[in-house]
Amino acid sequence: AQTVTQSQPEMSVQEAETVTLSCTYDTSENNYYLFWYKQPPSRQMILVIRQEAYKQQNATENRFSVNFQKAAKSFSLKISDSQLGDTAMYFCAFSDNTNAGKSTFGDGTTLTVKP
Amino acid sequence: KAGVTQTPRYLIKTRGQQVTLSCSPISGHRSVSWYQQTPGQGLQFLFEYFSETQRNKGNFPGRFSGRQFSNSRSEMNVSTLELGDSALYLCASSLVGSGPETQYFGPGTRLLVL
Repeated sequence: AQTVTQSQPEMSVQEAETVTLSCTYDTSENNYYLFWYKQPPSRQMILVIRQEAYKQQNATENRFSVNFQKAAKSFSLKISDSQLGDTAMYFCAFSDNTNAGKSTFGDGTTLTVKP
Repeated sequence: KAGVTQTPRYLIKTRGQQVTLSCSPISGHRSVSWYQQTPGQGLQFLFEYFSETQRNKGNFPGRFSGRQFSNSRSEMNVSTLELGDSALYLCASSLVGSGPETQYFGPGTRLLVL
C-alpha cells in the first residue's frame, strides 16, 4: 500500500525567508505523480505543484520548488521569499495507476509565516 | 474555466437525519472523487465515480453512498447521520486520461451533526 509521511506537524518562518517542508512516500509503482497542496484557513485545497516521477528535473512554480529524490522516496517543498499569504496547512500527496481516482495524502504540515 | 463547485457550503443536521451533497466538476473532467476531512483522521478517501460508475471505494460504512450523472455531476448521500460524521467533505475532479491523475478540489461542504 502507498503511504505518505510528513514528519513536521508545524513549522514557522519569517516573512521573506525560505522554508522547506519534508515528505517521504512509499510505493512499488514506477509511474506516479507527487503533489503539494495548500489549504489556507478558508479550507479550499489548492494545488501548489506537481512532479511526475518519470521526470528527473525538479518542478518549479514561481516561489515554489521541489527536491524530488526518487531513490530515497523523498519529495520536499521549498518556499522562497515567504509571504504572509503562504500561511496554511500543506499536504503532500501521491497518485498512481493502481487506485482509480484516489490520491493518498500525508497528515499535513501547518506553516505559519510571521511578519 | 470554472473550478469545482460544491453545494451547499454549510449544513447543520441532527442525528438520524440524512444529507445529500452535490459536486459539479471542472468542465471536461469525467472523474469525481469524494474525501472526508476531520481533525483527527485527516483526509480519507470515500469513493470515486467515472462514467456514472463507482470505480473505487474507501473504507466507509454503507451509510455513505454516491452517484454520478451523465453530465459528470456527482452527489454524495449520508443516511442515519451520526455525530462522528461532522466533517469537511471535499470533492475533487480529474480528467481521467491514462496514468496517474491530478485532482482539483472544490471548496468543500462543512457538515455539522448535532
